[in-house]
Amino acid sequence: ETAVFQTPNYHVTQVGNEVSFNCKQTLGHDTMYWYKQDSKKLLKIMFSYNNKQLIVNETVPRRFSPQSSDKAHLNLRIKSVEPEDSAVYLCASVGQGYEQYFGPGTRLTVL
Amino acid sequence: GQQVQQSPASLVLQEGENAELQCNFSTSLNSMQWFYQRPEGSLVSLFYNPSGTKQSGRLTSTTVIKERRSSLHISSSQITDSGTYLCAMEPPSGSWQLIFGSGTQLTVMP
Repeated sequence: ETAVFQTPNYHVTQVGNEVSFNCKQTLGHDTMYWYKQDSKKLLKIMFSYNNKQLIVNETVPRRFSPQSSDKAHLNLRIKSVEPEDSAVYLCASVGQGYEQYFGPGTRLTVL
Repeated sequence: GQQVQQSPASLVLQEGENAELQCNFSTSLNSMQWFYQRPEGSLVSLFYNPSGTKQSGRLTSTTVIKERRSSLHISSSQITDSGTYLCAMEPPSGSWQLIFGSGTQLTVMP
């Protein structure tokens, strides 16, 4: 049963445009992550939010920014996308037991 | 070097055969997880496995934290098992981050 929701599923855009991805979890967890999955299937953490506080900010480009209205929501905005931003972006929610629950992902294609 | 090494990189089975996937960690870890990635990309958490053996249906995970290794055994494989299997470790830093391996691509043929 899906408990981490992401929209959109797919997004195609052109270089220089701004995009925004949404993530919502209904698990009551305090921590949410955004991951980027590259073409080699490797998952790299981008941001970690604990109850609206940014606790980990990996060395991602400044054009990426997380946005959270409450602990159930964590959105990802990309200003002025570039070709290397094409990837699958995964949102995850983390409970007390460290188990991670993933959303279905958003596939971004930058033309 | 990569902290999480998975093997094999790819595996092709006939339906009904068993599979053994391996995960080795180059550093100490607090815990690890196994994930299944569906062909369309979504991830499913299979096991959170700090240590020991856990079974869920046809899947069995065995982790020996001290030896920095984990295995995932799939018995009587089915076509629907096809996809990518990822293992990930939680480093001792305690920040709840996960470091992922590059995955094993499993294909089960009829």
